[in-house]
Amino acid sequence: GDSVTQMEGPVTLSEEAFLTINCTYTATGYPSLFWYVQYPGEGLQLLLKATKADDKGSNKGFEATYRKETTSFHLEKGSVQVSDSAVYFCALSDRKGGGNKLTFGTGTQLKVEL
Amino acid sequence: DAGVTQSPTHLIKTRGQQVTLRCSPKSGHDTVSWYQQALGQGPQFIFQYYEEEERQRGNFPDRFSGHQFPNYSSELNVNALLLGDSALYLCASSLQGTTEAFFGQGTRLTVV
Repeated sequence: GDSVTQMEGPVTLSEEAFLTINCTYTATGYPSLFWYVQYPGEGLQLLLKATKADDKGSNKGFEATYRKETTSFHLEKGSVQVSDSAVYFCALSDRKGGGNKLTFGTGTQLKVEL
Repeated sequence: DAGVTQSPTHLIKTRGQQVTLRCSPKSGHDTVSWYQQALGQGPQFIFQYYEEEERQRGNFPDRFSGHQFPNYSSELNVNALLLGDSALYLCASSLQGTTEAFFGQGTRLTVV
């Protein structure tokens, strides 16, 4: 079945450092790929998405490129802020049957320090 | 425009009891999905409702059931609660045929 693998956390960075969170996936067909962010005590917020190979999703300085050849969707940000501290989830949607069931990774906690 | 709203926000139940969680989708959305998020884990898909029918189901026992109403709102019911059912239950709404899902704040269920 479909699966998503993320790098283990927590990831601790200093403010203005470069961020990479690795994500790889296994799926049949051509899934859509997503990054969601979860702040403490809250639900999930969609950060960015890509629906086909070589698409780049971007939002709030975060970027991720859909790499079909390496089945990856790594999240990057050039300069993190303390306010970026949260848990980040990589996910895929198989779009089977017209639905959009999401399969999530286990999440990567990011801590940004001054 | 109200987003996805869930109620209650927190709930404490005893083993063996039954619980009902509620979700109102984002305006214009017709599909509701439910997820269970255990502490420190990613959300796990429970099931999805569209046109008042269960369309897809994840690997959850029959103790987990749901309903969708004509106004697209939804309920998640869990019978015979186990300690292991303690989790954050998330509702997500979307428009059928699209890929983007919007999540509510979740209901934190604690089973004692």
